[in-house]
Amino acid sequence: GAVVSQHPSRVICKSGTSVKIECRSLDFQATTMFWYRQFPKKSLMLMATSNEGSKATYEQGVEKDKFLINHASLTLSTLTVTSAHPEDSSFYICSARDLRTSGVSYNEQFFGPGTRLTVL
Amino acid sequence: SQQGEEDPQALSIQEGENATMNCSYKTSINNLQWYRQNSGRGLVHLILIRSNEREKHSGRLRVTLDTSKKSSSLLITASRAADTASYFCATDGEYGNKLVFGAGTILRVKS
Repeated sequence: GAVVSQHPSRVICKSGTSVKIECRSLDFQATTMFWYRQFPKKSLMLMATSNEGSKATYEQGVEKDKFLINHASLTLSTLTVTSAHPEDSSFYICSARDLRTSGVSYNEQFFGPGTRLTVL
Repeated sequence: SQQGEEDPQALSIQEGENATMNCSYKTSINNLQWYRQNSGRGLVHLILIRSNEREKHSGRLRVTLDTSKKSSSLLITASRAADTASYFCATDGEYGNKLVFGAGTILRVKS
């Protein structure tokens, strides 16, 4: 149980194009999903918190118009990198909290396998 | 940055040896978790320790937590080549749902 998928796993695009990354919780419902960015050999940096049915909460320094997040259902959140540039190349990872444990005092998140974005 | 520190940054050991990784954090926490990440992959949850716990075991893993020193350690006993990965600690508490990740330790187990 508690499987999170991401699609695509790898994407290469040209500068100026937009790329959409999907994050799905496969066997549970997630009111909250998180989007992280990871540079090579570095740790995960939280970009935004995605709440089903409401606007995402972005971390300081993350451009919300650049990284559009939509959490339209309890099992799907999407991250769209708009007008991508080479500096947006990175590994993007999503995670999800199980709705059934959301009220519990611990915060286990289930992570997707990541999406490698390369912008040429 | 609110990220904590982990040491060592990289660790190379022989199969069968024990590996110890340390993590320090800066704020009060509810829980501390350890994750493993194989190269280019997502994170796998290893173990969670609550702020009122001092030690926890899971198979070959042993985690300690010292809230007075704001630090935790992860011990992997009898390491295997398959344990080769990056290991991250992550804390939550002051920032609610959000996890704050440490810098990570790259572990290499040589067979």
